[in-house]
Amino acid sequence: EDKVVQSPLSLVVHEGDTVTLNCSYEVTNFRSLLWYKQEKKAPTFLFMLTSSGIEKKSGRLSSILDKKELFSILNITATQTGDSAVYLCAVEGGNQFYFGTGTSLTVIP
Amino acid sequence: NAGVTQTPKFQVLKTGQSMTLQCAQDMNHEYMSWYRQDPGMGLRLIHYSVGAGITDQGEVPNGYNVSRSTTEDFPLRLLSAAPSQTSVYFCASSYSGTGRSYNSPLHFGNGTRLTVT
Repeated sequence: EDKVVQSPLSLVVHEGDTVTLNCSYEVTNFRSLLWYKQEKKAPTFLFMLTSSGIEKKSGRLSSILDKKELFSILNITATQTGDSAVYLCAVEGGNQFYFGTGTSLTVIP
Repeated sequence: NAGVTQTPKFQVLKTGQSMTLQCAQDMNHEYMSWYRQDPGMGLRLIHYSVGAGITDQGEVPNGYNVSRSTTEDFPLRLLSAAPSQTSVYFCASSYSGTGRSYNSPLHFGNGTRLTVT
């Protein structure tokens, strides 16, 4: 059975902290791993990773994929209150995208 | 550029009623899909399509029908609504369709919140 598991389920940090969100997967015919941010509405796309060991960066956010160990991490440095959201990990296998249940991040001022 | 447009935004149905959730995209995306999102369950795939005239079932297809007569539209039909179908429904599309010859991310609509009483 294809599955995507995210940890932790929730996280509360103070502004300025650095956080690491985890995503492990077991998906046949792996094609890509994607990270999304969801703030009470539609998920918005952050990163797509297809190759191991190549870090993707966008401002304070970065992500890396390990295809041998079947996991990815999303790092957020110098967190801000605007980073508060649910972060979703998805893996594309064949013609389907499989989502984890998400990590809920709360950043306290 | 409208992206992925879903209508309605909110809907309340009585048990046994039928309805259609509309989804349209103007990005010439081949791949379209429907998800439901429930607390603690994440996004679960209902049905998907890799191109006009082609549809397939996802993880939770029971009670739902789809069709794909055009590239732009992918409506989701609830045949006889049940309280278990109370959820938030998202339509999502992606550029690459049949054969998935290259990787492309999903783009989401703003969702439809459905309540079945």
